Amino acid sequence: EPEVTQTPSHQVTQMGQEVILRCVPISNHLYFYWYRQILGQKVEFLVSFYNNEISEKSEIFDDQFSVERPDGSNFTLKIRSTKLEDSAMYFCASSVSPTWSRITKNIQYFGAGTRLSVL
Amino acid sequence: QKEVEQNSGPLSVPEGAIASLNCTYSDRGSQSFFWYRQYSGKSPELIMFIYSNGDKEDGRFTAQLNKASQYVSLLIRDSQPSDSATYLCAVNQSWGGSEKLVFGKGTKLTVNP
Repeated sequence: EPEVTQTPSHQVTQMGQEVILRCVPISNHLYFYWYRQILGQKVEFLVSFYNNEISEKSEIFDDQFSVERPDGSNFTLKIRSTKLEDSAMYFCASSVSPTWSRITKNIQYFGAGTRLSVL
Repeated sequence: QKEVEQNSGPLSVPEGAIASLNCTYSDRGSQSFFWYRQYSGKSPELIMFIYSNGDKEDGRFTAQLNKASQYVSLLIRDSQPSDSATYLCAVNQSWGGSEKLVFGKGTKLTVNP
């Protein structure tokens, strides 16, 4: 069964360092997302990406964050200068198409996540 | 701010019982609703989705939607210890061509053998 793949599973970094979290969405999916979940809290939307550009970003997704689809398979989240409060699980998700396409109802499938620990 | 509210629990039921999980949402324009299961330290796993008012059944799971009351529920029949997890209600918000899921905090379910 196709799945969303995320690497690494755990990333430890020093405050102020740059990190890149990587995702390989399901191959025929066109819509990509990043969410994060701070320990004990709810899953929060960060950013959505469609047709090689950001569709929407949340207040959390400030100038320290960026996303990229460098090739036909990878989707990355970069945090330029990590802070202690960036420590969280980061989930990548993908869906076949958005709701307005009337093909699907934006069913999103999640990767296993990357645990980011900022020291 | 569009919100999704869930009773955080914990909800404890004996094995074989029916577990009932509830969720309310504030965005009247929402059309798609999802239940995800999340085991501790793992990612959300989709178990049910519902778009139309009424009930939708899939095996031991039944999702119920009432758009007028802005209420979604999940029933788990014949609960098993392996159902012990946190259940996340998620609502799709679609606006101006963008899409995102807004999650509730989740309800922690424990099924006791």
